[in-house]
Amino acid sequence: DQQVKQNSPSLSVQEGRISILNCDYTNSMFDYFLWYKKYPAEGPTFLISISSIKDKNEDGRFTVFLNKSAKHLSLHIVPSQPGDSAVYFCAASGRQGSSNTGKLIFGQGTTLQVKP
Amino acid sequence: DTGVSQNPRHKITKRGQNVTFRCDPISEHNRLYWYRQTLGQGPEFLTYFQNEAQLEKSRLLSDRFSAERPKGSFSTLEIQRTEQGDSAMYLCASSLGQPLNEKLFFGSGTQLSVL
Repeated sequence: DQQVKQNSPSLSVQEGRISILNCDYTNSMFDYFLWYKKYPAEGPTFLISISSIKDKNEDGRFTVFLNKSAKHLSLHIVPSQPGDSAVYFCAASGRQGSSNTGKLIFGQGTTLQVKP
Repeated sequence: DTGVSQNPRHKITKRGQNVTFRCDPISEHNRLYWYRQTLGQGPEFLTYFQNEAQLEKSRLLSDRFSAERPKGSFSTLEIQRTEQGDSAMYLCASSLGQPLNEKLFFGSGTQLSVL
């Protein structure tokens, strides 16, 4: 069962415009959400995160929005730059019993292409 | 902070052979994770160590897979009697092990090809 879903395999935007990447989750025990960026032949690198007690977190050009009632989060990149072209993964973690193992559950990824 | 290091970067092997991968986490990190990623999919959790203790194993980790983390430092992942379906990118990650905000730092991975 896919607990974290990214339903758009790819997204293409023009340089300078906004990129919006979406992610849905099914497990209500998730309380921490992250976005990772991955270039070919490299491991994922952390981009931005949000705790379930917040609905928005901003870091420079990157903003993550969390809608807990809809079990949905999105990543906004404004303005988009050609160097942002990569695969973006949404991930979630949550408590299991009395502990938090820190294990992340990933979505399938969305390939973003930013055209000059 | 030298980052998470994985060796080798690439491994080509014949079906039925055994392979071993190594991961060196960030030095002060006490949690270490192994993930597997196939084309078009996100990383899938395999197993997790808190210091030297292996605390969780995924159902994906068949009995042909074994992971160790002696002395709570580096870790090895061994696959015995490799099968073509084992071909994937094997990723290692580490974290400080804080109770909240578990940001994982990933290595560059080992790309395994089983012929």
